[in-house]
Amino acid sequence: DSGVTQTPKHLITATGQRVTLRCSPRSGDLSVYWYQQSLDQGLQFLIHYYNGEERAKGNILERFSAQQFPDLHSELNLSSLELGDSALYFCASSPRTSVSETQYFGPGTRLLVL
Amino acid sequence: AQSVTQLGSHVSVSEGALVLLRCNYSSSVPPYLFWYVQYPNQGLQLLLKYTTGATLVKGINGFEAEFKKSETSFHLTKPSAHMSDAAEYFCAVRNTGNQFYFGTGTSLTVIP
Repeated sequence: DSGVTQTPKHLITATGQRVTLRCSPRSGDLSVYWYQQSLDQGLQFLIHYYNGEERAKGNILERFSAQQFPDLHSELNLSSLELGDSALYFCASSPRTSVSETQYFGPGTRLLVL
Repeated sequence: AQSVTQLGSHVSVSEGALVLLRCNYSSSVPPYLFWYVQYPNQGLQLLLKYTTGATLVKGINGFEAEFKKSETSFHLTKPSAHMSDAAEYFCAVRNTGNQFYFGTGTSLTVIP
């Protein structure tokens, strides 16, 4: 158990819909990272938040957005969903922002868009 | 730009045999390199990482990796495979902008 929690574990929805994925980092960690893992794209970095502020963006679509709240939990919002958005979404946390820090991954949310 | 190439999407070894998973990277600056393992239906777990210093890095579960700058490689090895090593392995590079780039993964099968 990494100490990172993600809810829900599974999510089934329809095209065009909007969903919110939630991540609670390890106690004391200020950084949260979001990743998408799909069969065709592999594991891709989406976005990084540190203490409530966006720090880095990866291959995140404009239909996707994220935020980190004062209690440090983070939400990833996916809108106008398409079939290709079906994937496993991971969040990870680390204490600060050092590039040498270990990231601790949550168990993931499996999203299925029908 | 950074990228990671993992040669061999599937590797099979016999129990007790050497495990070698290959990773090559491209980076315009000294990289920070990582190996993660993913067991079925679980998140990623860090095996080991190279940041600075000693080029031979030892990780958990008997794994180690050597950073070879001249070859732009960071291959993962374990002298003797165990059945519990069967999993998906990912090599990753992280740049100073805090962006992670993962390889496509190598699925390791251990044959009894």
